[in-house]
Amino acid sequence: GIQVEQSPPDLILQEGANSTLRCNFSDSVNNLQWFHQNPWGQLINLFYIPSGTKQNGRLSATTVATERYSLLYISSSQTTDSGVYFCAGNSGNTPLVFGKGTRLSVIA
Amino acid sequence: DARVTQTPRHKVTEMGQEVTMRCQPILGHNTVFWYRQTMMQGLELLAYFRNRAPLDDSGMPKDRFSAEMPDATLATLKIQPSEPRDSAVYFCASGWESNTEAFFGQGTRLTVV
Repeated sequence: GIQVEQSPPDLILQEGANSTLRCNFSDSVNNLQWFHQNPWGQLINLFYIPSGTKQNGRLSATTVATERYSLLYISSSQTTDSGVYFCAGNSGNTPLVFGKGTRLSVIA
Repeated sequence: DARVTQTPRHKVTEMGQEVTMRCQPILGHNTVFWYRQTMMQGLELLAYFRNRAPLDDSGMPKDRFSAEMPDATLATLKIQPSEPRDSAVYFCASGWESNTEAFFGQGTRLTVV
């Protein structure tokens, strides 16, 4: 099955800094999602982005499907951005496979 | 406000007891997933259903876990008998087909003592 690798595993930022999280896939995917797991454990949908670029406020994501990777950009980070960011993907009618996540800590 | 609803949110039980977790998928979604999250394994798929039919439950320990969809508005995950190693957060998710956006419930935090 598909393998999903996320980097970096951990990230500490000063409030206001920018960051880029990366997700690599071992094979082609036709569904790719980014999630934020907040400190209360909820998995919040950030982006559904099989290809192209999307933006939502201070967050944006880009998926280059032909090269099997996706990037999540966080600009002007805030303490509320802390948590774990997961990417997950699948192909065909298989279920989502998750990476191990990037744990982000934003310090005031 | 369409959302996936899971009950209970928290469950503490003694080893050997039966545990049933419930999930109400978003109305109109035909695909339901069960995932388990642990520190060691991360988020791993236990089972998933399409149009109420089980498609893959290879991630579940068959001897103690079972998953069903009695109707389109209810999915259940049952553990009998429960063991301490089953302690984890269990998430349900739903979507329209497995290759479109999936939405997750708030999870059931299970502790088996």
